[in-house]
Amino acid sequence: DTGVSQDPRHKITKRGQNVTFRCDPISEHNRLYWYRQTLGQGPEFLTYFQNEAQLEKSRLLSDRFSAERPKGSFSTLEIQRTEQGDSAMYLCASSLAVWGAGESEQYFGPGTRLTVT
Amino acid sequence: DQQVKQNSPSLSVQEGRISILNCDYTNSMFDYFLWYKKYPAEGPTFLISISSIKDKNEDGRFTVFLNKSAKHLSLHIVPSQPGDSAVYFCAASASSGYSTLTFGKGTMLLVSP
Repeated sequence: DTGVSQDPRHKITKRGQNVTFRCDPISEHNRLYWYRQTLGQGPEFLTYFQNEAQLEKSRLLSDRFSAERPKGSFSTLEIQRTEQGDSAMYLCASSLAVWGAGESEQYFGPGTRLTVT
Repeated sequence: DQQVKQNSPSLSVQEGRISILNCDYTNSMFDYFLWYKKYPAEGPTFLISISSIKDKNEDGRFTVFLNKSAKHLSLHIVPSQPGDSAVYFCAASASSGYSTLTFGKGTMLLVSP
């Protein structure tokens, strides 16, 4: 396993279109996070999965955003009716949490850079 | 409001010298702190962490110091190498069952030969 992978690496879309990103975590990791990073900022938390259950969503995640993690493996993040303000780097991270032993550090993928024109 | 602050956008250091990157936080619930390094076109890479029960953690050339009373942490890199040139993010989490990270804006470190 070579780490967290994300696809595509770059996406250019027109305002109003829908886009979907995919994240493949490290295979044994049970937690998966989505973050968004805009220019000059650090990553900002969007949502989090424990296995297939989506347990937390940030207020940054408007109704146009939806994330899934079917079967607790890969995850998808969909943005409907994209706006120019959605232009950002979308980062996925995964970690391994063991009851009573804590959680490993989060390993990040390379990100998907979205440009909305 | 920024709960994790990195007030220096950039830092330049000569090879072999010490690099000191600073981070301040405001949320008293934070009890675990991490540093990530990020190269262009790559995702952040975990560097080192520290729990609030400690005031120092060392890993090779990297040492993180935590001052809880001042809500301040710092990352020391000794000796600095040109390959350390990257953006460094400070991040924090609170014990709430999972580890959602709150990041600072980052400090770009440039180590010149």
